[in-house]
Amino acid sequence: EAQVTQNPRYLITVTGKKLTVTCSQNMNHEYMSWYRQDPGLGLRQIYYSMNVEVTDKGDVPEGYKVSRKEKRNFPLILESPSPNQTSLYFCASSYTGVGEQYFGPGTRLTVT
Amino acid sequence: AQSVSQHNHHVILSEAASLELGCNYSYGGTVNLFWYVQYPGQHLQLLLKYFSGDPLVKGIKGFEAEFIKSKFSFNLRKPSVQWSDTAEYFCAVNEGTNAGKSTFGDGTTLTVKP
Repeated sequence: EAQVTQNPRYLITVTGKKLTVTCSQNMNHEYMSWYRQDPGLGLRQIYYSMNVEVTDKGDVPEGYKVSRKEKRNFPLILESPSPNQTSLYFCASSYTGVGEQYFGPGTRLTVT
Repeated sequence: AQSVSQHNHHVILSEAASLELGCNYSYGGTVNLFWYVQYPGQHLQLLLKYFSGDPLVKGIKGFEAEFIKSKFSFNLRKPSVQWSDTAEYFCAVNEGTNAGKSTFGDGTTLTVKP
């Protein structure tokens, strides 16, 4: 089954404790993205990747890092999480960078 | 920077009522346009998309949208909503010349009363 998977689905952590949210797709898509969803703000793009080792900033990249060492994986790294990063995070992939995106189930992160 | 505006943040309708959700974008170049839907507890999925050609596009579950280039708009419509259409709806724009960069609207929460 074609899908985008994310882990963990729920995470509660404390300020400053480094964490990684994993994202994997099995559709051989070139493009992958990370978004955060906050009430009243919709989805905002954090980072996106056009291929292995090629990434670019979205609209809200501060406080986040990403890497793309394999085509199927695109982890999101929070080196020192802060409470304002409490949000619902979605990973997405697409075959082309201008086409429809396929979304993962989301990761709900709470930083206390 | 590209921006996408959705005019209605929360819409409440009775079953069988007609629906129109507004979406306007700011980019003046080539764009690809999308509507995604997020049902309660689920992840986003594509409703419909416009790349080129006929400006009236049809999607799943009886939804359609019309691209009006002169108005920078891509409004979503459905003639008769059902209780199962209760969800959050997002308009999204991809710039045709900046592959990978996507901008979403703030979303519209639709509640359909049975």
